[in-house]
This record gives sequence, C-alpha cells and structure tokens, in this order.
Amino acid sequence: QVQLVESGGGVVQPGTSLRLSCVASGFTFRTHAMHWVRQAPGRGLEWVAVIWYDGDTKYYADSVKGQFSISRDDSKNTLYLQMDSLRVEDTAVYYCARENKRDCDGGNCYSVWLDPWGQGTLVTVSS
Amino acid sequence: SSELTQDPAVSVALGQTVTITCQGDSLRTYSTNWYQQKPRQAPVVVIYGDNNRPSGIPDRFSGSRSGNTASLTITGTQAEDEADYYCNSRDSSRQWSSGHHWVFGGGTKLTVL
Repeated sequence: QVQLVESGGGVVQPGTSLRLSCVASGFTFRTHAMHWVRQAPGRGLEWVAVIWYDGDTKYYADSVKGQFSISRDDSKNTLYLQMDSLRVEDTAVYYCARENKRDCDGGNCYSVWLDPWGQGTLVTVSS
Repeated sequence: SSELTQDPAVSVALGQTVTITCQGDSLRTYSTNWYQQKPRQAPVVVIYGDNNRPSGIPDRFSGSRSGNTASLTITGTQAEDEADYYCNSRDSSRQWSSGHHWVFGGGTKLTVL
C-alpha cells in the first residue's frame, strides 16, 4: 500500500541543524512532487516546502526560506528536509505528503491535493 | 502571502447538517481541498478539487466553492466526524510564482453534540 514514513526528529538546541527523511513506498516516487507540512503544538497546519518531480524546482514558505532546504533521492525513494539554524519557533511535528493532480490541461491542473501524509516526526528546539 | 480564514470552532448535533467555510483571495483562482485531522493523527483528505471525494470517504462529505469562499458540508453528522478540519489551496498572491506556494486555513474544530 502507499506509505510515507518520516524519521529524523528529536530534541535539539537553538542554532543547530537537523535533517528529516521521508521514505516512500507503494507508488512511483519519481513521478510525484513531494511536500513538507508542519504543525506546531496545539496549532494549525503550515505548509513548508515542495519539490517537483524534476528535483530542481523547489518552493519554500517565507518563514523557512534560506533556512530549510528540500531535496530528494529518487534512487532511494526518499525525501529530505535539511533544517539549519533552528529556532524555538520551528518546534513542530513535520509531515511529508505526496502531491496528486487531476483535470490537467498542459501544465495547469485544476485539482491538486496532498495524499497520503506520513505519520509525522516531532522536532523540538529547546535550550 | 495569501491567507485562508476559517471559523475556529463549530458545533453540530448528532445527525444534523453542518457547513464549515473557508475564505481567501486565492480561492478566486485555485480549487480547494479539505483535510480532516483527529487527535494525534496525520491529516486525511476528505474533499479535493472543490467537490471530489476520495475513495473511502463517506458520501455525507461534500464541498463547493464560489467566489472567494469554499464550503465543506457534512450531512447527517456522525460522532466519528468530530475532528479538526483544514482548508487548503494554492497561493495566488505571488506575482512570479502564482500557484506554486501552498496555504492552509487556520482550522475549524468540529464538535458533535
């Protein structure tokens, strides 16, 4: 079955780095854009970043641009999120999610959504 | 960046109909998705592309969009529908990368009475 499994979370001090991984199975990973979404404790969902299937096209939320880097290794069916200079406000559960598209005309698609999501990995930034 | 606005909390009596709304300028351009999140679980899509239900989602869930407002309607609400619901769309506010950034609403906590 289609599955995403995140790992790499933990407790780190402010200013340090962490790399999250998301291993995909059950589908052709290289043909899908992949996203990271985070959720701070007791808060809502916040979109973090996307990487297209080409591996070169990437977009980031303003809150993490220049601080986080998204990448993928299609040979390992794995998505990554490199997080540098971590701040207390980066504390959150980080989810990876697969992008799906439908009703496309050329490069434009009417329906674009995230499914499935991984179970999440908790990152706690604290001194 | 664009924003999507949701009511923080909504309640509904068991078996009744409830509508959760989402407002934002991006909804004038891009379709809306809705995700259900239960405590300590990952989000699950219940509606995509404004009004499409993924397989396995009960047909009591439906969606619509008009102008800058999207709606999620649950008809005959069940106890298991109690959860947080998030709308989601692509961000239309960026001049050079419209549609490539994503945005979520703040979420609506649905209580079933």
